[in-house]
Amino acid sequence: EAGVTQFPSHSVIEKGQTVTLRCDPISGHDNLYWYRRVMGKEIKFLLHFVKESKQDESGMPNNRFLAERTGGTYSTLKVQPAELEDSGVYFCASSPDRDYGYTFGSGTRLTVV
Amino acid sequence: AQSVSQHNHHVILSEAASLELGCNYSYGGTVNLFWYVQYPGQHLQLLLKYFSGDPLVKGIKGFEAEFIKSKFSFNLRKPSVQWSDTAEYFCAVKPPYNQGGKLIFGQGTELSVKP
Repeated sequence: EAGVTQFPSHSVIEKGQTVTLRCDPISGHDNLYWYRRVMGKEIKFLLHFVKESKQDESGMPNNRFLAERTGGTYSTLKVQPAELEDSGVYFCASSPDRDYGYTFGSGTRLTVV
Repeated sequence: AQSVSQHNHHVILSEAASLELGCNYSYGGTVNLFWYVQYPGQHLQLLLKYFSGDPLVKGIKGFEAEFIKSKFSFNLRKPSVQWSDTAEYFCAVKPPYNQGGKLIFGQGTELSVKP
C-alpha cells in the first residue's frame, strides 16, 4: 500500500510569507495527525483529525497556523504569516484506529529566513 | 510537568556492541508505549509497541524493549548492533488521559555505530 505522502519535502520562505504543507494519508485511515520538530528538540503534537473533523488541536502554537482536511482525505497545514521560530520539520501521520501505531510521512522541512 | 525523557542524546558504539537506550515517563495510570526509529533520509518507522501483556516486547530488526511499570521505564535493547542501526531513536507515550491517539515524544537519541 502507498505510504503517507507529504509535500513539499523542503520549503524555504521569507518571514511574513505564507506556506501551505500538504499531507496525503494512507487510504482508509480516518485518523490524521500533524507533529512538528523544531531545532533538534522533541517531536511535538500539533493536531489530530478524525475524518474531516478536528478531534484535538491543543498543540497548535497560535492562530497563524490553520489546518484543514478536505472531505476526510488529504490535509493541509497553512502558516500565515510565517515567523522565524516556525522553522522545523513538520510530520504527518495516519492510522486506521487511534489505538494503533501510526505510519509517518517523510516530513516537510520548513526554513523561514 | 508530565513528560518523556530519553537519557542519552548521542550514543556511539562499535559494531557487535550491545545497546540499551533509556526511556522514562512520568504519567500515572495505563499508558501505551512506542519506540520509533528514523534512519538517515527516511521517515519515522515503528520499531515496537507495548499496550498490555508480556512486558518484554520484541520488535523488528532484533530490537526489544522492556516495560517496567514500577520504574516508569521502557528501555530499548539490542544484543549486537550493526552499522545499519545508525539512526535516531524516539521513545513515545500515549498518555492515559488522551483518547485521541496523541503521542508524547522524548527528545530522541542519535545512535552512531562505527564499522
